[in-house]
Amino acid sequence: DAGVIQSPRHEVTEMGQEVTLRCKPISGHNSLFWYRQTMMRGLELLIYFNNNVPIDDSGMPEDRFSAKMPNASFSTLKIQPSEPRDSAVYFCASSLAVQGGLETQYFGPGTRLLVL
Amino acid sequence: SQKIEQNSEALNIQEGKTATLTCNYTNYSPAYLQWYRQDPGRGPVFLLLIRENEKEKRKERLKVTFDTTLKQSLFHITASQPADSATYLCARLSGTYKYIFGTGTRLKVLA
Repeated sequence: DAGVIQSPRHEVTEMGQEVTLRCKPISGHNSLFWYRQTMMRGLELLIYFNNNVPIDDSGMPEDRFSAKMPNASFSTLKIQPSEPRDSAVYFCASSLAVQGGLETQYFGPGTRLLVL
Repeated sequence: SQKIEQNSEALNIQEGKTATLTCNYTNYSPAYLQWYRQDPGRGPVFLLLIRENEKEKRKERLKVTFDTTLKQSLFHITASQPADSATYLCARLSGTYKYIFGTGTRLKVLA
């Protein structure tokens, strides 16, 4: 299994531009998480999908952030317009939700975003 | 708030010694607590999960303890090796699916 796949691995953009991050979860997993990691705040959950449905988006910073999961094998996280404070590493993780809390999350390699 | 705290200072130890990392939480005891390893430029990798009714969990050279009275989990690596050098994250369950992560402790094992 290839694991969780994220693209791009690195993104450098200018303030105000739209950024789209992509994720392919592990086949057969029914839960998908988007996280943001910074030195100051650590790893923060942005949004959680279960069976392609957004369950909890309370961690999404503001309306500039949006996420979709059109099918079980693909998800996007979009930032429009981007700002320098969005610079961070964004991780996608997937899991097979069987019993709440017990499942292992498998993380992708992350997308390192730098907004100038 | 449901904070989870790890020592942000790096931990340096000599090869062969036991490394002990601490994870403290506040406000209420989580039903589950997980430990992850993260190498530079990579995503976290799951290591161990411990339930609130378990005092201790082992996996090879790794051992995790869970003290609900102290609101603390300890993560031990015995006979540490330079390859164990990484950042170790603990995460507590909040609700039924959401894990809140600590900021991690960087471990460096010196040869």
